[in-house]
Amino acid sequence: DQQVKQNSPSLSVQEGRISILNCDYTNSMFDYFLWYKKYPAEGPTFLISISSIKDKNEDGRFTVFLNKSAKHLSLHIVPSQPGDSAVYFCAARGNYGGSQGNLIFGKGTKLSVKP
Amino acid sequence: DTAVSQTPKYLVTQMGNDKSIKCEQNLGHDTMYWYKQDSKKFLKIMFSYNNKELIINETVPNRFSPKSPDKAHLNLHINSLELGDSAVYFCASNQGGENSPLHFGNGTRLTVT
Repeated sequence: DQQVKQNSPSLSVQEGRISILNCDYTNSMFDYFLWYKKYPAEGPTFLISISSIKDKNEDGRFTVFLNKSAKHLSLHIVPSQPGDSAVYFCAARGNYGGSQGNLIFGKGTKLSVKP
Repeated sequence: DTAVSQTPKYLVTQMGNDKSIKCEQNLGHDTMYWYKQDSKKFLKIMFSYNNKELIINETVPNRFSPKSPDKAHLNLHINSLELGDSAVYFCASNQGGENSPLHFGNGTRLTVT
């Protein structure tokens, strides 16, 4: 019973183009969503987040969109760069009073940006 | 100057052994965590510690025990290792307060033979 789903295990994009990574969730109690980026043999690194009271958050080349009615969020990377090649994890946190660090992660999407 | 460091990076051991993984953070964070990434690549929380107090335990076997000698360290002890314990274990930390993101270590790949 995956509560956070990333249905695309991989995505290949040309350098300079837009990368769109998708994430779906099932638990309407989630109130905060995050994207992490992971290189091989390293730990996940925080990228960007969004609260459930917003529908968009932007940080440089990275924008996260949240559609609460569809229980869907997406990460847009524009323009994509070869250094963006990594595994991207979507994560969600419930508002049930648990620890701030109790996150539910998706399985990740491996992004490859080709020069 | 690594923010969250864990040792060892690789750990190969036999079934039935007892092993420990160490974690240290120099970020001054007040909460530390252990996550497990299994063979299906899911990252799942195991424990968190805040001010030496366990505040989450996601029904992991009691063979796993976190030990925190101080706020900057959270070690993971595993007794009677089983084949199914093979995974990558990540330590993480964050600062208390609203929406503080987790900072992860680079992981320890545990292989039980």
